[in-house]
Amino acid sequence: AQSVTQPDIHITVSEGASLELRCNYSYGATPYLFWYVQSPGQGLQLLLKYFSGDTLVQGIKGFEAEFKRSQSSFNLRKPSVHWSDAAEYFCAVGNFQTGANNLFFGTGTRLTVIP
Amino acid sequence: KAGVTQTPRYLIKTRGQQVTLSCSPISGHRSVSWYQQTPGQGLQFLFEYFSETQRNKGNFPGRFSGRQFSNSRSEMNVSTLELGDSALYLCASSLGASGRYEQFFGPGTRLTVL
Repeated sequence: AQSVTQPDIHITVSEGASLELRCNYSYGATPYLFWYVQSPGQGLQLLLKYFSGDTLVQGIKGFEAEFKRSQSSFNLRKPSVHWSDAAEYFCAVGNFQTGANNLFFGTGTRLTVIP
Repeated sequence: KAGVTQTPRYLIKTRGQQVTLSCSPISGHRSVSWYQQTPGQGLQFLFEYFSETQRNKGNFPGRFSGRQFSNSRSEMNVSTLELGDSALYLCASSLGASGRYEQFFGPGTRLTVL
């Protein structure tokens, strides 16, 4: 069965510091992987996605993620965090077998940015 | 281009009542999915509609239902509301039903059941 684990519930970083949010997945086939961000009172915005090919994917707002099949991981990184990055981040795996089109989400990581 | 619209944004109901939530997808999008977000269970898939047909359904009781109209607008209905149905209900639309199409999320409807 598909599942996504985000081991860090809450992370605090200083503005300008680097960031890495962890994501591990369980999926029987080649996964489609996503990172979404949710600001308070808002819906989800797609940061980046991985379907195939280059394992390092670039996204919006300066984020990148690396797919590591051997570790079943898809960690999100940013070299220098801005105060506006404070939000909740969700990793998701797509359940696209048998023509389905839905996402399985992790429990999220809340990011706090301190000045 | 306007984003995904959900109405109402906030809703308060009492146990036993029923509720209908509405989602207007981005123009040209034919697939609409619904998700429930709660602090305890996180984001969970409810169902997906494409061209007025339900293609996929999550693990929710039959009290949760939905439909899609010919203009791709979608509604979801929850009957006999329970306290545990209090949640943020998110709608997402995409161009097609394949997972390769990005899903765009609306701001959600916050349902509170008293």
